[in-house]
Order: sequence, then structure tokens, then C-alpha cells
Amino acid sequence: GAGVSQTPSNKVTEKGKYVELRCDPISGHTALYWYRQSLGQGPEFLIYFQGTGAADDSGLPNDRFFAVRPEGSVSTLKIQRTERGDSAVYLCASSLGSGTSVDFGPGTRLTVL
Amino acid sequence: QKEVEQNSGPLSVPEGAIASLNCTYSDRGSQSFFWYRQYSGKSPELIMSIYSNGDKEDGRFTAQLNKASQYVSLLIRDSQPSDSATYLCAVDLNSGYSTLTFGKGTMLLVSP
Repeated sequence: GAGVSQTPSNKVTEKGKYVELRCDPISGHTALYWYRQSLGQGPEFLIYFQGTGAADDSGLPNDRFFAVRPEGSVSTLKIQRTERGDSAVYLCASSLGSGTSVDFGPGTRLTVL
Repeated sequence: QKEVEQNSGPLSVPEGAIASLNCTYSDRGSQSFFWYRQYSGKSPELIMSIYSNGDKEDGRFTAQLNKASQYVSLLIRDSQPSDSATYLCAVDLNSGYSTLTFGKGTMLLVSP
């Protein structure tokens, strides 16, 4: 079946601009996660959704970052007033629920000039 | 603060040898442990999970867990050039959902 999909695959923006990154999880997966991976680092947890609600947003670095999942399926990660330090690969993942394995999408490479 | 430590490598082994990858974690409450493989420019791919002390084998891969020592390892037998990748250790507190804390990864290079 189809895996986790993310769009766009690459995004180049200028400092100060607003960006939206989209994630389409595996059908039937109720849990959805956003991670961020900088060069040479492991993925870093940002936010977790169970259904429509953000169950844990403790990993969001500051209030410029926000994510939604209005219908419990597709999620959008929103970054306001982007900074060069936001440049990274943003990974979305989904799972059937707690304690089950997590499947990652291909990621969106964000470059802030 | 939850931490997961791995040697960054690269770990170089000849084809056919055993590759041994190690990981330590700081949070004694951790319950679930995972090894992911990540090829350059690709997303992480789960290869092993382990939840209890001891060994777990799956094909050429063996995961080992020692909770008393807060240590997880991955052995790859009969290493192949296609195993060349970065291996990420991830730990989950299992506090009702699966938010993983990852190490920085160890790069493995298998030479023909």
C-alpha cells in the first residue's frame, strides 16, 4: 500500500517568509509525528498528533512553528518568519498507535536563504 | 534530559565481516528500542525493534539489549556493501505513544 507522502520534496525560501509543509499519512494510521533532521544529526521530535489533536507539542522549538491536522488525516506544519537555522529535512511519520512501529515519509528539505 | 549516544564513525568493515554498532541511553525509564537504517538522502527505515533484555535475531541482524547497563547494540553478520548506511538508534519512553529520541547515528562502510 501507499506509504507516508510529503509535499513538497524540496522548498527554498527567503529569510522571513512563511512556509507550509504537508504530510499525508498511511491510511488508517491515527498517530502522526513531525520530526526535524539537521545535517549530521538524528531526527528530532517536534509534535505528535493522535487523531485531530496535538497530544504532545513539546518539541516545537518556538512559537514560529505550528502544526494542524483538522480532519485526523493530512497534517500541515507551518513555519512563520523563517530563519536560516530552520533549514533541515522535515520528516513526517505515522503509526497505528502507541507502541507500534513508526513509518517515515521521504521528508521535505527546507532551505532558508 | 533524554539522551541517546552513538559513535559517529565511520565504522569500516570488509564484506562478509560482522559489524557491531553500539548505543547508550540516559533515561532508565525507556521501554522500547529501535534501530533504523538511513541511506544518504533517504528517510529512516526500521530494521529492528527490541523491548526486553537479551538478544533478538532477524536474518543477518541481531539486536542486543541490556537495561541495567542502558546499552543497546546491533550486530550485522555477513556484512554486504549494500549495508553501507547510517544506523540510528532510537529510544521510546512508551509513555502512551511513540515519540522517539534518536542518536546522531553511526555511519557504516562495508568495503567489497
